Amino acid sequence: KQEVTQIPAALSVPEGENLVLNCSFTDSAIYNLQWFRQDPGKGLTSLLLIQSSQREQTSGRLNASLDKSSGRSTLYIAASQPGDSATYLCAVIGPSGTYKYIFGTGTRLKVLA
Amino acid sequence: GAGVSQSPSNKVTEKGKDVELRCDPISGHTALYWYRQRLGQGLEFLIYFQGNSAPDKSGLPSDRFSAERTGESVSTLTIQRTQQEDSAVYLCASSSTNEQFFGPGTRLTVL
Repeated sequence: KQEVTQIPAALSVPEGENLVLNCSFTDSAIYNLQWFRQDPGKGLTSLLLIQSSQREQTSGRLNASLDKSSGRSTLYIAASQPGDSATYLCAVIGPSGTYKYIFGTGTRLKVLA
Repeated sequence: GAGVSQSPSNKVTEKGKDVELRCDPISGHTALYWYRQRLGQGLEFLIYFQGNSAPDKSGLPSDRFSAERTGESVSTLTIQRTQQEDSAVYLCASSSTNEQFFGPGTRLTVL
């Protein structure tokens, strides 16, 4: 049974810092991994999708990497801003042919001005 | 194009009443998911629709919960005889190529 863990559960950093959020999964036979952010009281916003054949994806100040063999993904946020404060969730789907996403419980990030 | 929309955004109801939540997926997305998120908790899978295939209802917590989808469009999640433990945010997502896009959710409060 696939399990997804995110560490740390909460993180508080000063503005401008570069930071790394971690996501680990127990079954490496995944098809995709997706990173989301969730603002309080809101739905989830898709940040990056990494397909199993890819090792990383970049969007602006965000970079997500995937190492299937070790069951890990990291989300790197460069030059953090107060507007980055949110809960960050990772979710995996797979293997190919399955459709259920398994979500981690998230990392709650606070960037201090 | 518009994203996933959900209505109502907030619903307050009394214990024992029925509620109906609506999800409008992104046009052309064949897959539709419902999730529940209790306060401070992770996402709990409820049900999955894919095209005209039989839905996967394995995540529905009890027979008070049901969902329907008309073709590849609107879906409704119905909760009968609501209980206080049903209070949560109900999130809908649609996808076409395994990338999920979420709606803003419906916050349900059962008094």
